[in-house]
This record gives sequence, C-alpha cells and structure tokens, in this order.
Amino acid sequence: DGGITQSPKYLFRKEGQNVTLSCEQNLNHDAMYWYRQDPGQGLRLIYYSQIVNDFQKGDIAEGYSVSREKKESFPLTVTSAQKNPTAFYLCATSAPEIQYFGAGTRLSVL
Amino acid sequence: AQSVTQPDIHITVSEGASLELRCNYSYGATPYLFWYVQSPGQGLQLLLKYFSGDTLVQGIKGFEAEFKRSQSSFNLRKPSVHWSDAAEYFCAVGAHYGGATNKLIFGTGTLLAVQP
Repeated sequence: DGGITQSPKYLFRKEGQNVTLSCEQNLNHDAMYWYRQDPGQGLRLIYYSQIVNDFQKGDIAEGYSVSREKKESFPLTVTSAQKNPTAFYLCATSAPEIQYFGAGTRLSVL
Repeated sequence: AQSVTQPDIHITVSEGASLELRCNYSYGATPYLFWYVQSPGQGLQLLLKYFSGDTLVQGIKGFEAEFKRSQSSFNLRKPSVHWSDAAEYFCAVGAHYGGATNKLIFGTGTLLAVQP
C-alpha cells in the first residue's frame, strides 16, 4: 500500500514535554515537508528536506526540530519551547513539483 | 512577496447548483498553481494543477479551473455540485525556494457547505 503514513492520528502533550510526530513514505520521493494548520490560517511551512541528512527551516520553525536520517522518514519534534502547539500537523512529499499529503496528526495540550 | 488570497471564507450552495471558488495570487514569474480539497480531519487531496499551456485545466471529481494572467486569478469551478463536495478548498502557488524544491504558499481556504 503506497503513500504517506502519519502517526499517531491524535497526540496529547503535557506542559514542558517534547513530543515526536512520525511521517513515513514509500513513494521514493526525495523532498519532504512539515506544515502546521490552524483554523482560518491555511497551511504554514515548518521545515522541509530535499535530501537525506539535510533540512531547512520554513516560515515557522521556532519550537520545532526535525531529522532526516532515512529517505523514507522525516519525524517532527514539537519541543517545550513551542508555547502554542495545539494544531493539525501535515506531512507532505513532492515529486518534484506536486506535493502529496498524509492524513495528519492532531496535537492537543493537556 | 508571493501570496495567495481566497476572499470567500464560507460559501453555501444548493445541491445541483454551479460553483465558483475564487483565488488570486501574487507572484513575480509564471506560477505553478494548485487546488487542493480537504475533508474534515483529513489530509489534502490534489484536485488539479496548472503549470503551463492551456489556461483551462480539468481535474478530478468534475472540477476545472481557469488561469487568467491579466487578473492574477485561478478560480475553481464545477457545473453541478454534489453533497459529497462539502469540504474545505485550498488554492496554492508553487515557488522555488532554496533550490529545486518547490515551496507551496497556501491561501486561507474556503469552506464549502452544500444544501440539499
């Protein structure tokens, strides 16, 4: 079954805690992206990666970190420095001009 | 700076009626343009795209869009709306960002409701 898998679907974060959102793809796409979606604000780019072991900050990278150790995987960590983490997070890949999206992870604060 | 404007936050249409969702963009060169649809709690699905050539592009689910360079617009249309079209629709422009990777700049979305 090909595509982009995001897990978990729902995630809760306690005060001061780091949480990691998973994004796995078997499309063999080089580029991967993380977006944050808030009601009425569209999607905003957090980080992107063009190749393994390389990634770049997007428009709202503060309070987030990523890694790209494998082509298939691009996990996003929401750190305790992100004071307003409640949002819907979407992972995408591109090949090369069209972006394809996973089903998303909804993060809430306890 | 590149930007995308979707002036309508909410639109309600009757089932069987025609639909037009507006999108205006700001971009220096010839843009790559996209329309995506999102059902509640789901990811985004590509409806159609414009890269070059014929300015009227056909997409999935009976949607089409027309690129008008003079108006910097890329409006989405459907001649007859079905109840299953109720969703949120996003227009996006693709911009080269830091090299070959294409960055998408999204509008804020238009939420479509369909009345029976």
